[in-house]
Parts: sequence; structure tokens; C-alpha cells
Amino acid sequence: RKEVEQDPGPFNVPEGATVAFNCTYSNSASQSFFWYRQDCRKEPKLLMSVYSSGNEDGRFTAQLNRASQYISLLIRDSKLSDSATYLCVLSPRVTDKLIFGTGTRLQVFP
Amino acid sequence: GAGVSQTPSNKVTEKGKYVELRCDPISGHTALYWYRQSLGQGPEFLIYFQGTGAADDSGLPNDRFFAVRPEGSVSTLKIQRTERGDSAVYLCASSRGLAGQDEQFFGPGTRLTVL
Repeated sequence: RKEVEQDPGPFNVPEGATVAFNCTYSNSASQSFFWYRQDCRKEPKLLMSVYSSGNEDGRFTAQLNRASQYISLLIRDSKLSDSATYLCVLSPRVTDKLIFGTGTRLQVFP
Repeated sequence: GAGVSQTPSNKVTEKGKYVELRCDPISGHTALYWYRQSLGQGPEFLIYFQGTGAADDSGLPNDRFFAVRPEGSVSTLKIQRTERGDSAVYLCASSRGLAGQDEQFFGPGTRLTVL
């Protein structure tokens, strides 16, 4: 079983739609959680960290459920520029390696 | 400021050859990571340096892979007797190496193709 499981998609949504991505992880000792964004043939870039209390950054909301070992990302009012692959990421310890899911591909169309 | 840089951006080699991939981290970052990303997959951890020493090399797939960071800055990933299965994008990342939510910044990667 992979340490981080994601639906690879693709998710095809119209501009303005709300879309949600989910991710599950197997190691309950994981300490840090993130969503990274990766554009085609580019490097991954940190989108946001994920906390149990939930956190929001503009149109993006991330949530962590430690009991269910489940992470989510909600994107509201999708823009064409949101089209990318969204990687669910965890780290067993701070300042340690990152463990990536396979990524979920999002395509926003006009 | 300058981000993480990697050279070469592309490398094509023949099976059995030796290759070196270079990473220049962000100035002052003490932690440096190597990852490998195959098509359709997320990046996969290879090795992590804190300063000059390899703090975790558990992701290196076999003894053909080796990495060094002799002066605690630039790092080189070395692959001996390359195989077609080594073809991937090799990503380097660096961070401040401090405790807490320490963001890793990625370089653009080296696309390795083994023919």
C-alpha cells in the first residue's frame, strides 16, 4: 500500500466551479502535511501547509483529519490558472524528507 | 534572490554510462534533498543532507546511486552503470534546516534519459 493515496483524476471543471481533492495516508506518526502544486514540466511549489484546525488562503481551504488519516483541499471559484497537478505531501518529522502522493490533475475550462 | 539551480537541465546518456547531476541550493540553506520523479508519479525521496553529512539515504534505490555535498553547499548526485529504468526527472530541494514548518524549495530538475 502506498503511504499517500490520491485520485489521479483528471478533474475537468468549468471556471467558477468548486472542486475538492482528497488524500489518505497510512503512517499515523506523520507530523507535517502539505499541498504542493506542480505545473506541467515544472518543479513542485508549496501551495499551503495543512493543520488539524483547518486553514484557508484566499480561495483555497485545507483540512487535516488525523483520526481518519485524511487530508483535503477545496478550491473555490476555480480559475483557468488553477489548472495543474496537486500533490498531497507529508513528512514524518519536521525538516525531514517529503513523501508525495501521485498527484491529482485539475483542468479548468472556460 | 536566486533559487535552487540544477545542471544540466537535460542529460541523455547510454545504458551503462556514468552520470553526474549537480545541485546549487539557496544560499544559507543547510538542508538539501534529492528526489526522483517518474512520469505520472509524484517525486520520490532519495537522500537528505544536513550540512555535509547524509542524514538519511534510505531512498537511494541501490549502490549505483551515490551523492556528496563536500562543503555543505553544492551537491552532486552520481549514478554508475546507468539503466533505462533510471530515466526520470531528478529534483533537488533545499531548506533552512530549522525545526518547524520549514519549506523546501525545489529546483527545476534534471531530465535524465537513458537510451
